[in-house]
Amino acid sequence: DQQVKQNSPSLSVQEGRISILNCDYTNSMFDYFLWYKKYPAEGPTFLISISSIKDKNEDGRFTVFLNKSAKHLSLHIVPSQPGDSAVYFCAAGNSGNTPLVFGKGTRLSVIA
Amino acid sequence: DTEVTQTPKHLVMGMTNKKSLKCEQHMGHRAMYWYKQKAKKPPELMFVYSYEKLSINESVPSRFSPECPNSSLLNLHLHALQPEDSALYLCASKGQAERRTEAFFGQGTRLTVV
Repeated sequence: DQQVKQNSPSLSVQEGRISILNCDYTNSMFDYFLWYKKYPAEGPTFLISISSIKDKNEDGRFTVFLNKSAKHLSLHIVPSQPGDSAVYFCAAGNSGNTPLVFGKGTRLSVIA
Repeated sequence: DTEVTQTPKHLVMGMTNKKSLKCEQHMGHRAMYWYKQKAKKPPELMFVYSYEKLSINESVPSRFSPECPNSSLLNLHLHALQPEDSALYLCASKGQAERRTEAFFGQGTRLTVV
């Protein structure tokens, strides 16, 4: 049973436009959510996170929105750049040392 | 310093070999993790160490043996692996229980079993 779902395996976006990556979760006990970016053969790099007490967190070109009632979060990248092309993983966790639960990832391709 | 360092970056080993993967962090994190990642898949949890004690073993075969010698180091000992164990092995660490911090990942060890 997948607790964190990324239903779009891939997404293509024109350079300069907005990229929107979506993530749904089922476990209402998760209290924070993260996005990681991953290039092939490298470890995931932390991008941005959001606590369950917030509905928006912004960091430069990256904004994460959380809709707790819908158990849905999204990552907005604007403007998208070719260097943003990578696999993006959504992850969810609880406070403490419990491990993160990852979605299956969305491959973003930003076309110049 | 927000770095998790993994060595080696690449490893090729035969099915009868014994090798070890190493992971080091100096962020004072007391939770450390081993993940395995196959191509086009998300990281798959293997082990969790909390305060240098093994707290989670996700039914990993005994040919993988973790070790946490101290709060900064995490090892994964490998013995009699199979070709299907070839994958990217990722180490991660996370902050204290009362802080909801992100997990920091190392760059991984690309393991090939021949």
